[in-house]
Amino acid sequence: QKEVEQNSGPLSVPEGAIASLNCTYSDRGSQSFFWYRQYSGKSPELIMSIYSNGDKEDGRFTAQLNKASQYVSLLIRDSQPSDSATYLCAGNNNDMRFGAGTRLTVKP
Amino acid sequence: DAGVTQSPTHLIKTRGQQVTLRCSPKSGHDTVSWYQQALGQGPQFIFQYYEEEERQRGNFPDRFSGHQFPNYSSELNVNALLLGDSALYLCASSPLASSTDTQYFGPGTRLTVL
Repeated sequence: QKEVEQNSGPLSVPEGAIASLNCTYSDRGSQSFFWYRQYSGKSPELIMSIYSNGDKEDGRFTAQLNKASQYVSLLIRDSQPSDSATYLCAGNNNDMRFGAGTRLTVKP
Repeated sequence: DAGVTQSPTHLIKTRGQQVTLRCSPKSGHDTVSWYQQALGQGPQFIFQYYEEEERQRGNFPDRFSGHQFPNYSSELNVNALLLGDSALYLCASSPLASSTDTQYFGPGTRLTVL
Protein backbone atom coordinates (compact mmCIF):
# COMPACT_ATOMS: atom_id res chain seq x y z
CA GLN A 1 0.00 0.00 0.00
CA LYS A 2 1.34 3.40 -1.00
CA GLU A 3 1.73 5.81 1.89
CA VAL A 4 0.13 8.72 0.06
CA GLU A 5 -2.45 7.98 -2.61
CA GLN A 6 -3.98 10.26 -5.20
CA ASN A 7 -6.25 9.69 -8.16
CA SER A 8 -3.91 10.04 -11.15
CA GLY A 9 -6.61 11.63 -13.29
CA PRO A 10 -6.70 13.25 -15.64
CA LEU A 11 -9.28 15.52 -14.05
CA SER A 12 -10.87 17.89 -16.52
CA VAL A 13 -12.97 20.91 -15.52
CA PRO A 14 -14.29 23.90 -17.50
CA GLU A 15 -12.88 27.35 -16.88
CA GLY A 16 -14.56 29.01 -13.90
CA ALA A 17 -15.57 25.74 -12.25
CA ILE A 18 -14.37 24.30 -8.94
CA ALA A 19 -11.68 21.63 -9.17
CA SER A 20 -11.57 19.13 -6.31
CA LEU A 21 -8.40 17.13 -5.70
CA ASN A 22 -8.23 14.37 -3.11
CA CYS A 23 -5.51 12.53 -1.24
CA THR A 24 -5.41 9.80 1.41
CA TYR A 25 -2.48 8.81 3.60
CA SER A 26 -1.65 5.76 5.69
CA ASP A 27 0.97 7.10 8.15
CA ARG A 28 -0.94 8.35 11.20
CA GLY A 29 2.31 9.90 12.45
CA SER A 30 2.20 12.50 9.69
CA GLN A 31 1.67 15.90 11.25
CA SER A 32 1.86 18.29 8.33
CA PHE A 33 0.53 18.16 4.81
CA PHE A 34 1.31 20.04 1.65
CA TRP A 35 -0.04 20.63 -1.82
CA TYR A 36 2.43 21.37 -4.61
CA ARG A 37 1.72 22.28 -8.22
CA GLN A 38 4.05 20.97 -10.92
CA TYR A 39 3.97 22.14 -14.50
CA SER A 40 5.32 19.76 -17.11
CA GLY A 41 9.11 19.74 -17.08
CA LYS A 42 9.30 22.02 -14.04
CA SER A 43 9.89 21.48 -10.32
CA PRO A 44 7.12 21.40 -7.69
CA GLU A 45 5.86 24.77 -6.46
CA LEU A 46 4.26 25.08 -3.01
CA ILE A 47 0.58 26.04 -2.99
CA MET A 48 -0.63 25.31 0.54
CA SER A 49 0.42 23.77 3.83
CA ILE A 50 -2.03 22.54 6.46
CA TYR A 51 -1.36 21.25 9.95
CA SER A 52 -4.72 21.21 11.77
CA ASN A 53 -8.05 19.56 11.08
CA GLY A 54 -10.45 21.75 9.14
CA ASP A 55 -10.18 24.17 6.27
CA LYS A 56 -7.47 26.63 5.31
CA GLU A 57 -8.13 29.19 2.61
CA ASP A 58 -5.63 31.16 0.53
CA GLY A 59 -7.11 33.11 -2.35
CA ARG A 60 -8.79 30.70 -4.78
CA PHE A 61 -7.34 27.68 -2.96
CA THR A 62 -8.81 25.85 0.05
CA ALA A 63 -7.07 22.91 1.70
CA GLN A 64 -9.02 20.54 3.93
CA LEU A 65 -7.58 18.09 6.43
CA ASN A 66 -9.36 15.29 8.29
CA LYS A 67 -6.86 13.35 10.40
CA ALA A 68 -9.46 10.87 11.65
CA SER A 69 -10.24 9.84 8.07
CA GLN A 70 -6.61 10.34 6.95
CA TYR A 71 -7.83 12.53 4.14
CA VAL A 72 -6.54 15.74 2.59
CA SER A 73 -8.14 17.70 -0.22
CA LEU A 74 -7.55 20.81 -2.29
CA LEU A 75 -10.32 22.89 -3.83
CA ILE A 76 -9.54 25.37 -6.59
CA ARG A 77 -12.31 27.90 -7.15
CA ASP A 78 -12.79 29.80 -10.41
CA SER A 79 -10.37 27.44 -12.18
CA GLN A 80 -8.23 29.02 -14.89
CA PRO A 81 -6.41 27.40 -17.84
CA SER A 82 -3.17 28.41 -16.10
CA ASP A 83 -4.13 26.02 -13.27
CA SER A 84 -3.62 23.10 -15.65
CA ALA A 85 -0.79 21.11 -14.06
CA THR A 86 -0.08 18.06 -11.91
CA TYR A 87 -0.96 18.53 -8.23
CA LEU A 88 1.13 16.66 -5.69
CA CYS A 89 -0.05 15.87 -2.18
CA ALA A 90 2.60 15.25 0.50
CA GLY A 91 2.63 14.30 4.17
CA ASN A 92 5.56 14.85 6.52
CA ASN A 93 6.61 12.60 9.42
CA ASN A 94 10.37 13.26 9.67
CA ASP A 95 10.58 12.80 5.91
CA MET A 96 8.26 13.99 3.17
CA ARG A 97 6.19 11.38 1.34
CA PHE A 98 4.54 12.34 -1.93
CA GLY A 99 1.66 10.91 -3.88
CA ALA A 100 2.05 10.28 -7.61
CA GLY A 101 0.04 13.39 -8.40
CA THR A 102 -3.26 14.23 -10.08
CA ARG A 103 -3.17 15.78 -13.53
CA LEU A 104 -5.66 18.66 -13.84
CA THR A 105 -6.77 20.16 -17.13
CA VAL A 106 -8.87 23.35 -17.15
CA LYS A 107 -10.59 23.82 -20.50
CA PRO A 108 -11.32 27.37 -21.77
CA ASP B 1 16.03 36.87 -2.25
CA ALA B 2 17.58 33.97 -4.17
CA GLY B 3 15.62 30.77 -4.17
CA VAL B 4 17.00 27.25 -4.26
CA THR B 5 19.51 26.77 -7.06
CA GLN B 6 20.78 23.55 -8.60
CA SER B 7 23.49 22.65 -11.09
CA PRO B 8 23.81 21.39 -13.68
CA THR B 9 20.42 21.66 -15.37
CA HIS B 10 20.90 18.59 -17.52
CA LEU B 11 23.42 15.77 -17.48
CA ILE B 12 24.02 12.73 -19.65
CA LYS B 13 26.09 9.83 -18.31
CA THR B 14 26.70 6.21 -19.23
CA ARG B 15 26.12 3.15 -17.09
CA GLY B 16 28.78 2.60 -14.44
CA GLN B 17 29.85 6.23 -14.29
CA GLN B 18 29.63 8.49 -11.25
CA VAL B 19 27.80 11.81 -11.01
CA THR B 20 27.76 14.77 -8.62
CA LEU B 21 24.82 17.15 -8.41
CA ARG B 22 24.91 20.45 -6.53
CA CYS B 23 22.39 22.51 -4.59
CA SER B 24 22.41 25.88 -2.83
CA PRO B 25 19.53 26.40 -0.40
CA LYS B 26 17.23 29.40 -0.17
CA SER B 27 18.64 32.26 1.87
CA GLY B 28 17.99 31.67 5.57
CA HIS B 29 17.52 27.92 5.16
CA ASP B 30 19.88 25.44 6.76
CA THR B 31 18.34 22.08 5.87
CA VAL B 32 18.60 20.42 2.48
CA SER B 33 16.64 17.40 1.25
CA TRP B 34 17.17 15.46 -1.98
CA TYR B 35 14.50 13.71 -4.03
CA GLN B 36 14.40 11.53 -7.12
CA GLN B 37 11.41 11.95 -9.43
CA ALA B 38 10.90 9.39 -12.16
CA LEU B 39 8.62 10.24 -15.07
CA GLY B 40 4.96 10.15 -14.05
CA GLN B 41 5.75 9.63 -10.37
CA GLY B 42 5.91 11.81 -7.29
CA PRO B 43 9.25 12.77 -5.77
CA GLN B 44 10.89 10.01 -3.71
CA PHE B 45 12.86 11.07 -0.63
CA ILE B 46 16.57 10.20 -0.80
CA PHE B 47 18.02 11.91 2.30
CA GLN B 48 18.14 15.11 4.32
CA TYR B 49 21.15 17.05 5.60
CA TYR B 50 21.37 19.40 8.54
CA GLU B 51 24.50 20.71 10.27
CA GLU B 52 26.60 18.82 7.73
CA GLU B 53 25.17 15.47 8.78
CA GLU B 54 22.62 13.12 7.26
CA ARG B 55 19.49 13.32 9.46
CA GLN B 56 17.09 11.06 7.60
CA ARG B 57 17.44 8.63 4.74
CA GLY B 58 14.89 7.09 2.43
CA ASN B 59 14.97 3.68 0.82
CA PHE B 60 17.91 4.23 -1.53
CA PRO B 61 21.08 2.11 -1.84
CA ASP B 62 24.49 3.18 -0.60
CA ARG B 63 25.40 4.18 -4.16
CA PHE B 64 23.58 7.38 -3.28
CA SER B 65 25.59 9.56 -0.93
CA GLY B 66 25.65 13.20 -0.01
CA HIS B 67 27.44 15.98 1.71
CA GLN B 68 26.58 19.34 3.22
CA PHE B 69 29.08 22.17 3.47
CA PRO B 70 29.42 24.82 6.20
CA ASN B 71 27.59 27.33 3.96
CA TYR B 72 24.61 24.88 3.89
CA SER B 73 25.05 24.00 0.21
CA SER B 74 24.90 20.31 -0.60
CA GLU B 75 26.00 17.67 -3.08
CA LEU B 76 24.38 14.43 -4.14
CA ASN B 77 26.71 11.74 -5.44
CA VAL B 78 25.58 8.65 -7.30
CA ASN B 79 28.10 5.88 -8.05
CA ALA B 80 27.91 3.00 -10.52
CA LEU B 81 25.03 4.56 -12.44
CA LEU B 82 22.22 2.32 -13.65
CA LEU B 83 19.73 2.99 -16.43
CA GLY B 84 17.05 3.21 -13.73
CA ASP B 85 18.78 6.19 -12.16
CA SER B 86 17.55 8.35 -15.04
CA ALA B 87 15.24 10.86 -13.40
CA LEU B 88 14.75 14.45 -12.30
CA TYR B 89 16.75 15.07 -9.13
CA LEU B 90 15.26 17.72 -6.91
CA CYS B 91 16.78 19.58 -4.03
CA ALA B 92 14.54 21.24 -1.44
CA SER B 93 15.48 23.51 1.44
CA SER B 94 13.74 24.39 4.67
CA PRO B 95 14.51 26.33 7.85
CA LEU B 96 14.87 23.66 10.54
CA ALA B 97 14.95 26.12 13.40
CA SER B 98 11.42 27.21 12.63
CA SER B 99 7.84 26.31 13.39
CA THR B 100 7.34 25.29 9.78
CA ASP B 101 8.76 22.30 7.93
CA THR B 102 7.73 23.68 4.56
CA GLN B 103 10.17 22.75 1.83
CA TYR B 104 10.93 24.81 -1.26
CA PHE B 105 12.22 23.09 -4.37
CA GLY B 106 14.95 24.06 -6.77
CA PRO B 107 14.56 23.72 -10.54
CA GLY B 108 16.03 20.22 -10.56
CA THR B 109 18.74 18.39 -12.50
CA ARG B 110 17.60 16.11 -15.30
CA LEU B 111 19.92 13.06 -15.34
CA THR B 112 19.90 10.70 -18.30
CA VAL B 113 21.85 7.44 -18.05
CA LEU B 114 22.59 5.71 -21.36
